[in-house]
Amino acid sequence: SQQGEEDPQALSIQEGENATMNCSYKTSINNLQWYRQNSGRGLVHLILIRSNEREKHSGRLRVTLDTSKKSSSLLITASRAADTASYFCATTYGNNRLAFGKGNQVVVIP
Amino acid sequence: DVKVTQSSRYLVKRTGEKVFLECVQDMDHENMFWYRQDPGLGLRLIYFSYDVKMKEKGDIPEGYSVSREKKERFSLILESASTNQTSMYLCATRGQGRYEQYFGPGTRLTVT
Repeated sequence: SQQGEEDPQALSIQEGENATMNCSYKTSINNLQWYRQNSGRGLVHLILIRSNEREKHSGRLRVTLDTSKKSSSLLITASRAADTASYFCATTYGNNRLAFGKGNQVVVIP
Repeated sequence: DVKVTQSSRYLVKRTGEKVFLECVQDMDHENMFWYRQDPGLGLRLIYFSYDVKMKEKGDIPEGYSVSREKKERFSLILESASTNQTSMYLCATRGQGRYEQYFGPGTRLTVT
């Protein structure tokens, strides 16, 4: 069952701009993760935020978590062409299984 | 760095063939996973293994089986390939007590 659901959108931005994408989930969580997938490749783990955290930074990435609204956002600042990818949120359920959202396609135009 | 490799990037098989997809990891991770990824459906868990010779069904195990004889290797088997198994197959690993998963590059399987 899918518990993480991105706000399904394809985002096209200019290099240097910020990109924001959202994710909502249905049940209570211990943590939420974001992954990136370049075209035709495997997923790469970006960042994990725990349920008792509200915001977390990693380089140009900023993740927020609002457990009252069951939602998370991923912000990429000062985007680069190499940030062109699909971005997935994922929540843990059951025996440490991950449920992935459908993904957000981000295109950064040089 | 964790390295997860998959036996093929692209594979074309005929309906009814037995297909083996192999995944090998070099980080001594206990947990290994097989997903398939389809447009509009996202990633769906087929099977996972939490130890050698141990396996658990995921959300869509029908038509698949798995084998884990050694800790570093997790195989996905399509006993009799069908066209609806045309997909991108992704292997992943996870260390004990951790949450993040590490993915291989994927195998794009086409069944004709």
